[in-house]
Amino acid sequence: SQQGEEDPQALSIQEGENATMNCSYKTSINNLQWYRQNSGRGLVHLILIRSNEREKHSGRLRVTLDTSKKSSSLLITASRAADTASYFCATEIRGNDMRFGAGTRLTVKP
Amino acid sequence: GAVVSQHPSRVICKSGTSVKIECRSLDFQATTMFWYRQFPKQSLMLMATSNEGSKATYEQGVEKDKFLINHASLTLSTLTVTSAHPEDSSFYICSALVINEKLFFGSGTQLSVL
Repeated sequence: SQQGEEDPQALSIQEGENATMNCSYKTSINNLQWYRQNSGRGLVHLILIRSNEREKHSGRLRVTLDTSKKSSSLLITASRAADTASYFCATEIRGNDMRFGAGTRLTVKP
Repeated sequence: GAVVSQHPSRVICKSGTSVKIECRSLDFQATTMFWYRQFPKQSLMLMATSNEGSKATYEQGVEKDKFLINHASLTLSTLTVTSAHPEDSSFYICSALVINEKLFFGSGTQLSVL
């Protein structure tokens, strides 16, 4: 079942632009994770941010978490055509149960 | 949206027994399903890719004889943890790929091996 909601559902940008995806959730979480799915493939883990953290960076990725608003954002800077993929947020709730959003499909045009 | 049913949601078993987890797509056909496991406080780890009618493709380090995957129909994939041991205790989750390449997730199975 899915808890999170990503928006937008689809995003199309030009290479070099920044891409921002948002994720909202409903219940209290232990952590929130962002994953990437290349076409026809399984998930690849990108970043985990804990509930007591507000921001994390990894290379061109920047994730923020606002627990008061129950939302997170994933920013990809200086996007490349190879960043074209679907991006999912997943929230870890009690124990290590996880709930996923429906995903944002990002297309980066060369 | 599409629904993926995964059960059981929780299972507790004795060491040495086998546990079967089912992942069923309820209103669509899934030619490809993925199986993941998650250790506490860690990210999901892809275990295998399951294609209907063919052998599953396992990720490096995942024992295929330990984690048997069967994808006998377009709506059902099963993961059997054979001769389970406490170190197999984990959260297992499946996801199904729809024809337009959208991914839907099961609700997960929490396995505890005593």
